[in-house]
Amino acid sequence: EAGVTQFPSHSVIEKGQTVTLRCDPISGHDNLYWYRRVMGKEIKFLLHFVKESKQDESGMPNNRFLAERTGGTYSTLKVQPAELEDSGVYFCASSQVWREGPDNEQFFGPGTRLTVL
Amino acid sequence: GQNIDQPTEMTATEGAIVQINCTYQTSGFNGLFWYQQHAGEAPTFLSYNVLDGLEEKGRFSSFLSRSKGYSYLLLKELQMKDSASYLCAVKTAGNKLTFGGGTRVLVKP
Repeated sequence: EAGVTQFPSHSVIEKGQTVTLRCDPISGHDNLYWYRRVMGKEIKFLLHFVKESKQDESGMPNNRFLAERTGGTYSTLKVQPAELEDSGVYFCASSQVWREGPDNEQFFGPGTRLTVL
Repeated sequence: GQNIDQPTEMTATEGAIVQINCTYQTSGFNGLFWYQQHAGEAPTFLSYNVLDGLEEKGRFSSFLSRSKGYSYLLLKELQMKDSASYLCAVKTAGNKLTFGGGTRVLVKP
């Protein structure tokens, strides 16, 4: 079974440009999460989809970030316009069910390393 | 606010035991996870605790005390491949994971 995949693995853009990150969750996983790790800091939650609906977007830093999950399958995270402080590693995770216990384990993708110059 | 603390780095010898501590103060607690992350790779699930006590899974064990806001991950019979970062994460509101900064473990021969 394929794990969570993310594209691209690396992206280098200039300040002011737009970048779109993509995440393909594990097939059948309704829950999809975006997290971010900026240099020297801990991984931080950005938002959570249940199917195509945003369940929790409390971690989104500002309105330059837009996440979508049309059709409830893959998700995109667009940063427009990108700023220097957006540099970091963006992780996507997915989980199968909405309940307590190890079954609710979140499976992580390898991340997209974004560098804004 | 949310606060999860773990040591930044630890060094141990191959074959030895290492214990990584994690203390947390969070608004809400729905379980504590430990993940392993090798450089440039995805964090991978190691263990989950929601009740007090010890969970054992092969060479890895994890302990939780909810009253103390404390957990540890115990790695036994260390192998070179165990050199990685170990992330403590608390599931708070909903399904959101709040992470500590991670502990980098270096295993020496």
